[in-house]
Amino acid sequence: DTGVSQDPRHKITKRGQNVTFRCDPISEHNRLYWYRQTLGQGPEFLTYFQNEAQLEKSRLLSDRFSAERPKGSFSTLEIQRTEQGDSAMYLCASSLGGMASGGLGGDTQYFGPGTRLTVL
Amino acid sequence: AQTVTQSQPEMSVQEAETVTLSCTYDTSENNYYLFWYKQPPSRQMILVIRQEAYKQQNATENRFSVNFQKAAKSFSLKISDSQLGDTAMYFCAFMNSNYGGSQGNLIFGKGTKLSVKP
Repeated sequence: DTGVSQDPRHKITKRGQNVTFRCDPISEHNRLYWYRQTLGQGPEFLTYFQNEAQLEKSRLLSDRFSAERPKGSFSTLEIQRTEQGDSAMYLCASSLGGMASGGLGGDTQYFGPGTRLTVL
Repeated sequence: AQTVTQSQPEMSVQEAETVTLSCTYDTSENNYYLFWYKQPPSRQMILVIRQEAYKQQNATENRFSVNFQKAAKSFSLKISDSQLGDTAMYFCAFMNSNYGGSQGNLIFGKGTKLSVKP
């Protein structure tokens, strides 16, 4: 078990550019979550996948944000036409949830180290 | 909508002492889960302890224990024998009970910055 990994760890970009972040979950985990954390705040939920299905995406901050998990393994989060307000830490978490965990709910989420985005 | 409130932005404690971090939450649900996560400076978030709302017994994990008061919607974290390595941001989080394929995202408070002093 190597834990949740995220790449890159830091990204500096200019306003208007597109950026893509990658998350590799713990290998046997079927659920994958994306959160955004701004300075002095707790993480804010963005979207989540169960296997390759995106089950919740209404919390994505705008239509500039999109996420994929094409084979039910790693996931990518893309931000198009970045704005300075997008500067934040983007966290990924994974869990063994739903019926895979016996359907009991309350699956514990394990977090990656995050990708810190700075938009100039 | 569920909310989580941590009323102590910062706290400090002497090494080997005991400290309690407060958390309250608001929900109309009866079944849910509560968590405390720790985020050390420039390091990733790790789970400290979890509590199932249907369990009356308070969860404990070594030096960490909770005081779960369901009627009061309160979920405090007690750290005994504080160590320098406990210095971190501590986040209280709420999760609705989920079954099958339903949503299970965490709702976080704003955090409490704990400093353990030698």
